[in-house]
Amino acid sequence: NAGVMQNPRHLVRRRGQEARLRCSPMKGHSHVYWYRQLPEEGLKFMVYLQKENIIDESGMPKERFSAEFPKEGPSILRIQQVVRGDSAAYFCASSLDRVANEQFFGPGTRLTVL
Amino acid sequence: QQQVKQSPQSLIVQKGGISIINCAYENTAFDYFPWYQQFPGKGPALLIAIRPDVSEKKEGRFTISFNKSAKQFSLHIMDSQPGDSATYFCAASNYGGATNKLIFGTGTLLAVQP
Repeated sequence: NAGVMQNPRHLVRRRGQEARLRCSPMKGHSHVYWYRQLPEEGLKFMVYLQKENIIDESGMPKERFSAEFPKEGPSILRIQQVVRGDSAAYFCASSLDRVANEQFFGPGTRLTVL
Repeated sequence: QQQVKQSPQSLIVQKGGISIINCAYENTAFDYFPWYQQFPGKGPALLIAIRPDVSEKKEGRFTISFNKSAKQFSLHIMDSQPGDSATYFCAASNYGGATNKLIFGTGTLLAVQP
């Protein structure tokens, strides 16, 4: 009974490169949330997706960031032209449905931008 | 209005003592209040959660106390153990809203000394 899976666990990119973070929700879960955790800070909501739909992207930076959750395959958080300020831990969480409340978190992807 | 304020930032407790972490919120639409535990290098794990229709919820050594009128809630860890040493985050969300995004506090680093 696998939990939320994220890969890669660690990602190093140089400024200007692209970063792709993947999240596979728990089996049967169709709701995915992405959060960002800056060093010494709490988690900040970025985006909420259901299969093939972005429901709430109010926490996403307006530029360079995008997310998708296709019908088949994992959810992808994409960061184009990364900058040093993008260095953070990115966590994905999934829930069975919106009403179920409980969100189960993955182990995170730690992005380092050189 | 979307903030959740958490205190203290760090806490040192002797083994067997009581750890108390406090949170306050402003948005009266929040109606789900979970606490998450996070160990270094890991994702947050749900510890215990409360809805505002009750003033207290207890699960083992962990208790949430909720004061709706004061818009405050707290986590009590009884008989604290060295294995409880971790970062604790309170959070809040709007059950009836279009999304179920969690608004997190800034975290409390708990150290339980043997």
